[in-house]
Amino acid sequence: EDQVTQSPEALRLQEGESSSLNCSYTVSGLRGLFWYRQDPGKGPEFLFTLYSAGEEKEKERLKATLTKKESFLHITAPKPEDSATYLCAVQARGNKLVFGAGTILRVKS
Amino acid sequence: NAGVTQTPKFRVLKTGQSMTLLCAQDMNHEYMYWYRQDPGMGLRLIHYSVGEGTTAKGEVPDGYNVSRLKKQNFLLGLESAAPSQTSVYFCASSFPGQGRFDYGYTFGSGTRLTVV
Repeated sequence: EDQVTQSPEALRLQEGESSSLNCSYTVSGLRGLFWYRQDPGKGPEFLFTLYSAGEEKEKERLKATLTKKESFLHITAPKPEDSATYLCAVQARGNKLVFGAGTILRVKS
Repeated sequence: NAGVTQTPKFRVLKTGQSMTLLCAQDMNHEYMYWYRQDPGMGLRLIHYSVGEGTTAKGEVPDGYNVSRLKKQNFLLGLESAAPSQTSVYFCASSFPGQGRFDYGYTFGSGTRLTVV
């Protein structure tokens, strides 16, 4: 069974304090790993897709990396507007994504 | 370009009542999905469709039915609502692109349903 586990469940950072979110997965034949951002009361918003171990993608203060067992979302010098829930999902067989429970990030100024 | 639109945004039902949630997308996406999101459990797939006239069960299909009569619309029905169906429901759509979701899913803004 495909599984996605995200840690920590919640993370509080001071503005400018860099950190990383973890997404570990067990799937049969990874076809893609996805990161989403979700603001309160809204639907998830697509951030990145990673396909193979060693791949990295960046967007502003966010950088996503992928190994054979996990992915990291690195946040460099975060700002209060980076506060959100970050979701990780994997595509294995078929046409469906399996999501983790998410990490709630709070950045205080 | 509206993307994915869900109606209604909020609803309160009494146990045993029925309702239909509507999802409409204007991106000509082939695939559409219904998820529910509960605290600490992430997004769980209820039903999905890979094209007009097709539907399939996801991870938690019991108590729900769906229909995809038109490519742009995907309806989720609750025939007899139960308190366990209190949740936030999200619709999503995607274009498969050679079997890969290069741009992920596009999600609607959600429907918050409370069953009392």
